[in-house]
Amino acid sequence: AQTVTQSQPEMSVQEAETVTLSCTYDTSENNYYLFWYKQPPSRQMILVIRQEAYKQQNATENRFSVNFQKAAKSFSLKISDSQLGDTAMYFCAFMKENAGNMLTFGGGTRLMVKP
Amino acid sequence: EADIYQTPRYLVIGTGKKITLECSQTMGHDKMYWYQQDPGMELHLIHYSYGVNSTEKGDLSSESTVSRIRTEHFPLTLESARPSHTSQYLCASSKDPGSPLHFGNGTRLTVT
Repeated sequence: AQTVTQSQPEMSVQEAETVTLSCTYDTSENNYYLFWYKQPPSRQMILVIRQEAYKQQNATENRFSVNFQKAAKSFSLKISDSQLGDTAMYFCAFMKENAGNMLTFGGGTRLMVKP
Repeated sequence: EADIYQTPRYLVIGTGKKITLECSQTMGHDKMYWYQQDPGMELHLIHYSYGVNSTEKGDLSSESTVSRIRTEHFPLTLESARPSHTSQYLCASSKDPGSPLHFGNGTRLTVT
């Protein structure tokens, strides 16, 4: 079974600064997918970024980028130029290949962006 | 955008009542899922479906049941609600292998 660990229950960052959220996972699989999801207060869970394990290049989406270290089983999320709207719960998630697209989630990190 | 819809958004009911949480998606996705999100915000898979007439239990044992009679519809039913069922329930769908899940807005259930 896969496990996903987010070691930072809460973090805060000043507006316009950069913050990095940590995620580690444990698996014996070689091919898989990793995701970061954002859940604003009382709002829908939305996809932030997706990484395919067989791609060495780190995924980026505008101000969001990841540092994917396959050997270390680490998948951190960097948010640059933080905005007030980035305040949310952030979940790291693991998807095994060819297993019905089921996600295993980490416990989440609550991020507060301060003005 | 809301391509996956959950109703009701909030529900407060008494112990022993039967309830059905609705989930519908308009994207033609064959795979659908129910996750339970506890007050500590952890998410656990309780049910999933790979298509019509296919339903399976997830990692977390749940007293709820699901059905998948139509591709777009994946309701979750609790025959007799209890306070331990108080939680947020998130419905999601997906299509191609490795593609991300799309989530609904969730139903926040409180059983008194």
